[in-house]
Amino acid sequence: GENVGLHLPTLSVQEGDNSIINCAYSNSASDYFIWYKQESGKGPQFIIDIRSNMDKRQGQRVTVLLNKTVKHLSLQIAATQPGDSAVYFCATQDAGNMLTFGGGTRLMVKP
Amino acid sequence: NAGVTQTPKFRILKIGQSMTLQCTQDMNHNYMYWYRQDPGMGLKLIYYSVGAGITDKGEVPNGYNVSRSTTEDFPLRLELAAPSQTSVYFCASGSLLASSYNEQFFGPGTRLTVL
Repeated sequence: GENVGLHLPTLSVQEGDNSIINCAYSNSASDYFIWYKQESGKGPQFIIDIRSNMDKRQGQRVTVLLNKTVKHLSLQIAATQPGDSAVYFCATQDAGNMLTFGGGTRLMVKP
Repeated sequence: NAGVTQTPKFRILKIGQSMTLQCTQDMNHNYMYWYRQDPGMGLKLIYYSVGAGITDKGEVPNGYNVSRSTTEDFPLRLELAAPSQTSVYFCASGSLLASSYNEQFFGPGTRLTVL
């Protein structure tokens, strides 16, 4: 089955610095990729998505990069703020429209 | 819109007890999902539904049942609770009408402990 994993379980950054969270996936048939943010005690919240026909997409302070050659996805957060502290999950969607979630990376922002 | 709502927020069950986790969405989404999230882990799909009257098994369906009698509601039933079902349960909904891809909206979760 699909294997979606993250390289780093915990990432600690200084407030104001940029953060990069990485994700590897194994299913080359995945055609849609999503990053979710999950704050403590809450459900996952959609941050940004990217389709397989793109390699970069930007949002407000966030950028997602997709490298289909090596099946790698990253989330970049610019000028990280204390409110960005959360667990971040990548998820992939296959042709059956089901999402497969990675294990999550905890981002800790130091003031 | 309230989005996706789940009740209860917390529940403690004894082994062998049964309960129903409620999930309601007011976004008129066709798709609804139940996930479980174990500590420090990602979400695993239990069951999903592509519309009223249609349900399908996900990755970890054993020990659970679902029904989808209306578009809005998608309850999850545990018949004989076991300690292995201790987890946080998330309901989600989504619609392919909005785009070709399925952006899922999640509820706040139900934290279940089976002792």
